[in-house]
Amino acid sequence: DSGVTQTPKHLITATGQRVTLRCSPRSGDLSVYWYQQSLDQGLQFLIQYYNGEERAKGNILERFSAQQFPDLHSELNLSSLELGDSALYFCASSALQGGNSPLHFGNGTRLTVT
Amino acid sequence: GNSVTQMEGPVTLSEEAFLTINCTYTATGYPSLFWYVQYPGEGLQLLLKATKADDKGSNKGFEATYRKETTSFHLEKGSVQVSDSAVYFCALSEDTGRRALTFGSGTRLQVQP
Repeated sequence: DSGVTQTPKHLITATGQRVTLRCSPRSGDLSVYWYQQSLDQGLQFLIQYYNGEERAKGNILERFSAQQFPDLHSELNLSSLELGDSALYFCASSALQGGNSPLHFGNGTRLTVT
Repeated sequence: GNSVTQMEGPVTLSEEAFLTINCTYTATGYPSLFWYVQYPGEGLQLLLKATKADDKGSNKGFEATYRKETTSFHLEKGSVQVSDSAVYFCALSEDTGRRALTFGSGTRLQVQP
């Protein structure tokens, strides 16, 4: 058990809809990362937060947004969903804001857009 | 920019066979290198890491040596088990350590009894 909790585990929704994915980081970790894993694109970095502030952006679409709250949990909001957004979305946390600090991954949220 | 290239899978081996999964990278400066493993239905877990040239990371019988001259970080294990069946990801972190990891595309390993 990594200590990172993601909810829900599965999400099925229709095109055009909006969903929110939630992540609780490991106790004591200040950094939260969001990754998208799809069959054709592999594991893509979306965005990183550290102690409530955005630290880095990767290949995140404008239709997607995220935030980290004062209690350090994070939410990833996906709107105007398209079929191609179907993927496994992972949250990871680390103690520090740098990549040298080991990442602890949750088990992911599987999003299916129909 | 930074990138990681892994050999395509799946790699299918018999139990007790020798494993090599190739990984090469492109990066500015001196990145840290990692191998993560993803078992079915789970998130990624750190397997091993190396932070400077010639370092060898090792864990659970797996090893990888940071080769700066060939920009490689190949994963090896002398004798694989069925329980090693998983997807293996090579990753790097730029040397400032302030950015998120860059992952390779992953290599699926299937070990048959």
